[in-house]
Amino acid sequence: EAGVAQSPRYKIIEKRQSVAFWCNPISGHATLYWYQQILGQGPKLLIQFQNNGVVDDSQLPKDRFSAERLKGVDSTLKIQPAKLEDSAVYLCASSLGGQGHFGAGTRLSVL
Amino acid sequence: AQSVAQPEDQVNVAEGNPLTVKCTYSVSGNPYLFWYVQYPNRGLQFLLKYITGDNLVKGSYGFEAEFNKSQTSFHLKKPSALVSDSALYFCAVSSLRGGYQKVTFGIGTKLQVIP
Repeated sequence: EAGVAQSPRYKIIEKRQSVAFWCNPISGHATLYWYQQILGQGPKLLIQFQNNGVVDDSQLPKDRFSAERLKGVDSTLKIQPAKLEDSAVYLCASSLGGQGHFGAGTRLSVL
Repeated sequence: AQSVAQPEDQVNVAEGNPLTVKCTYSVSGNPYLFWYVQYPNRGLQFLLKYITGDNLVKGSYGFEAEFNKSQTSFHLKKPSALVSDSALYFCAVSSLRGGYQKVTFGIGTKLQVIP
């Protein structure tokens, strides 16, 4: 089966600019996660979707981050405006029954 | 709130020696437990999981982990370390909350296998 696809792999922006990441999960996986992984730390859950509904966004900075999962398949994560502390790897994962399958991630550098 | 602790930032082991990467957890109810490995500039790769049944779980690349309910631990082990095992290892716990699986990751342990 094809894995979780993410794009772009790398993105460099200046602070206060906007950026969007895209994720295509494994076909049939109802659950989709976006994680933020800052260098030297474990992944931190930003938002979790069950089909196209949000089940957990308690750690999403909603004043600048937004995410959507249209039709319960692909998802986009947006940051507007970006801050220096948003520099991190953004990981998308999908699952069917708890075990997560991760994409390669998008490395964001905010200058 | 559920949590995962990986008490060692880094584990160093000589090639050919056994390795252990420690993980303890705190969760209400029955846990699902996972180990993932992350190589540089890569996403997390699944190694193994415990859902129910035999406490000793075998996974990819010769790794295994033992679920210990009384000690709330799920340590990752391998009988003979390879240099290629050098990577970042994450323990995760998942539990059912309000109809969905809530997943929490540890901060990771860097494994360095010395030739």
